[in-house]
Amino acid sequence: QVQLQESGPGLVKPSETLSLTCTVSGGSISSYYWSWIRQPPGKGLEWIGYIYYSGSTNYNPSLKSRVTISVDTSKNQFSLKLSSVTAADTAVYYCAREADTAMGWGYWGQGTLVTVSS
Amino acid sequence: DIQMTQSPSSLSASVGDRVTITCQASQDISNYLNWYQQKPGKAPKLLIYDASNLETGVPSRFSGSGSGTDFTFTISSLQPEDIATYYCQQYDNLPQTFGQGTKLEIK
Repeated sequence: QVQLQESGPGLVKPSETLSLTCTVSGGSISSYYWSWIRQPPGKGLEWIGYIYYSGSTNYNPSLKSRVTISVDTSKNQFSLKLSSVTAADTAVYYCAREADTAMGWGYWGQGTLVTVSS
Repeated sequence: DIQMTQSPSSLSASVGDRVTITCQASQDISNYLNWYQQKPGKAPKLLIYDASNLETGVPSRFSGSGSGTDFTFTISSLQPEDIATYYCQQYDNLPQTFGQGTKLEIK
């Protein structure tokens, strides 16, 4: 069973870079699409972007200038970097993998809360 | 961006009730629509893909229908464990976008 686990700092200062890693277990990262999705406290879901294992990416235009998603197949991990953060970037950040037979996000990490505050 | 509008925003129903949630897209998205269930403090779970297909392992009381701009999600007989917030999501165009969510409560 594929499992995903987010890791990274829970507190980031304004104007700094948020960095998160998603570690994949129970399966290889060398296939499928992998995504980051976030959810501000008490609010809805926002797609940040995705990466294919080959390294090709697509980002939400609203965040594109600040986002980088990368993959490390040797470590079975993929990562998110979001620069110049503000309080509006405070959210639970989820990593996810596309479903086995569907174009939906079928496997999710438990989520990690990142707070932007000085 | 394609806007996804869910209705209602919240819903209270009794165990055994038939529950229906609608999702309207701001433009034609064919059947490129998914439905997710999110329980408090948990990650979303994919229930329905391509508007009407049940994800493996999901109970058959859940169903979806629609195409183009208008979609419906139905729980045929509400169970206590179905208490959650439900989201639709389109993937026809980037960026992928979600509805604002429908919070389902037990009456």
